[in-house]
Amino acid sequence: NAGVTQTPKFQVLKTGQSMTLQCAQDMNHEYMSWYRQDPGMGLRLIHYSVGAGITDQGEVPNGYNVSRSTTEDFPLRLLSAAPSQTSVYFCASRPPRDRGSHTEAFFGQGTRLTVV
Amino acid sequence: AQTVTQSQPEMSVQEAETVTLSCTYDTSESDYYLFWYKQPPSRQMILVIRQEAYKQQNATENRFSVNFQKAAKSFSLKISDSQLGDAAMYFCAYRSGPGAQKLVFGQGTRLTINP
Repeated sequence: NAGVTQTPKFQVLKTGQSMTLQCAQDMNHEYMSWYRQDPGMGLRLIHYSVGAGITDQGEVPNGYNVSRSTTEDFPLRLLSAAPSQTSVYFCASRPPRDRGSHTEAFFGQGTRLTVV
Repeated sequence: AQTVTQSQPEMSVQEAETVTLSCTYDTSESDYYLFWYKQPPSRQMILVIRQEAYKQQNATENRFSVNFQKAAKSFSLKISDSQLGDAAMYFCAYRSGPGAQKLVFGQGTRLTINP
């Protein structure tokens, strides 16, 4: 059981480049989300999805796109990277039901992205 | 909007002693969940303990326990018999009731264990 898998673990981009951070989960979770972690600010929600074909914006969505074509995958796209997007990115998933089942979020190991 | 505040950027404790990490939150909702996550140097986010707001009993997981004060909107984490492996960043997090997606995190507290 791999859980939530993020690739790559480290990445350096030049300003203006584009890239996709990959996230895959094998737990058949309907809910998936992307967070960024910056020093002194905890984790902040970028985008989330409650199922295949459904996505919505979180707290800090600007500069990022997402899509959810399958239950398993939830990629995060940076169309034109900026130094302000230097951060650690976490993907998380969880099942939607709360009562009587595990409802905590399972996190991937994170991607450290540096934009120069 | 909900907010979570951790007022202690850093804490330290002697090995085998007890330490308490503070967390306060602000919400107008009555049904919600609170969590403590541990982030060791590996970056992995590990759930330590969770508390449902509708439960009056404080959650406990082995050496970890919480003091949940709903009226005061306080949710502190107590670590007993501290071990070197407890050294990490600890985040308090809030999530609204059933169906909610967003986790709101505090700023984190870095815990150091002194041998």
